[in-house]
Amino acid sequence: EVQLVESGGGLIQPGGSLRLSCAVSGFTFNNHWMHWVRQAPGKGLVWVSRIDSGGGSTSYADSVKGRFTISRDNAKNRLYLQMTSLRAEDTAIYYCARDSGPGGAYYFDQWGQGTLVTVSS
Amino acid sequence: DIVMTQSPDSLAVSLGERATINCKSSQSVLHRSNNQNYLAWYQQKPGQPPELLISWASTRESGVPDRFSGSGSGTNFTLTLSSLQAEDVAVYYCQQYYIAPTFGQGTRLEIK
Repeated sequence: EVQLVESGGGLIQPGGSLRLSCAVSGFTFNNHWMHWVRQAPGKGLVWVSRIDSGGGSTSYADSVKGRFTISRDNAKNRLYLQMTSLRAEDTAIYYCARDSGPGGAYYFDQWGQGTLVTVSS
Repeated sequence: DIVMTQSPDSLAVSLGERATINCKSSQSVLHRSNNQNYLAWYQQKPGQPPELLISWASTRESGVPDRFSGSGSGTNFTLTLSSLQAEDVAVYYCQQYYIAPTFGQGTRLEIK
C-alpha cells in the first residue's frame, strides 16, 4: 500500500523557519519525482515545488522561490521542505504528492494527508 | 502562468442525474509533439487530500468508476458524472501540467 505521511507543521511566527518531512512507503521512492502542493484554509490547490528522482533538479513557484528549499533522502525514503522567512500568506495545509510519471509528468497520483502550517504572531 | 478557470463555482444535482463541470485554460495545453492534452481532474472530499480521477484529459485512473469521464482539447475541457451518487459530493479541480502546474479554483458539487 502506498503511503505518504507528512509531519513538521505547526504554529510559527512571521519570519520564522520550519522544516516539513514526508515519509513514504509502498513504492520505489527513487523512481519518482516528488512535489509539495499547498492549500490555504478553505481555498484551492497551489503547486509549491518539485524535485527530480535523484534530487539534482528542483523548481519552485515564484511565491516561494528563494525562501523554500525542497530536498530528498532516497536512502531514508523521505522528502523535505525547508521553509524560511515565513509569511502569513504561507498558512496552509502542505501536501506531499507523488509525480505520476517516471520522468516527471507534473500531475499527482498519490497524496499524503497533509500537515498544517500556521504563520501568525 | 496558465490560468485555469472552472465553471460553475458550485453545482447542485439530483441523485442519478448528470453533472457537468467545465474547465478553461488561458492558453492551449495540447502538446503538438504527442497530441496529448496536459490536463488532469481531481476530486477532494471534505477533510481529505485530493484524489486523481483523470489524466491526459480523458484517461480514467485505475479504480475510478466509469460514471466519471473527461473530454475536451486545447483550452476547453469537461468533467462529466453520468449519474450522481451520494459519495460524489466533493470539490473537483482541474489542473494543467503543460508548464508549471496550475489548478482551477474548484467546483463544489452537492446533492439537490
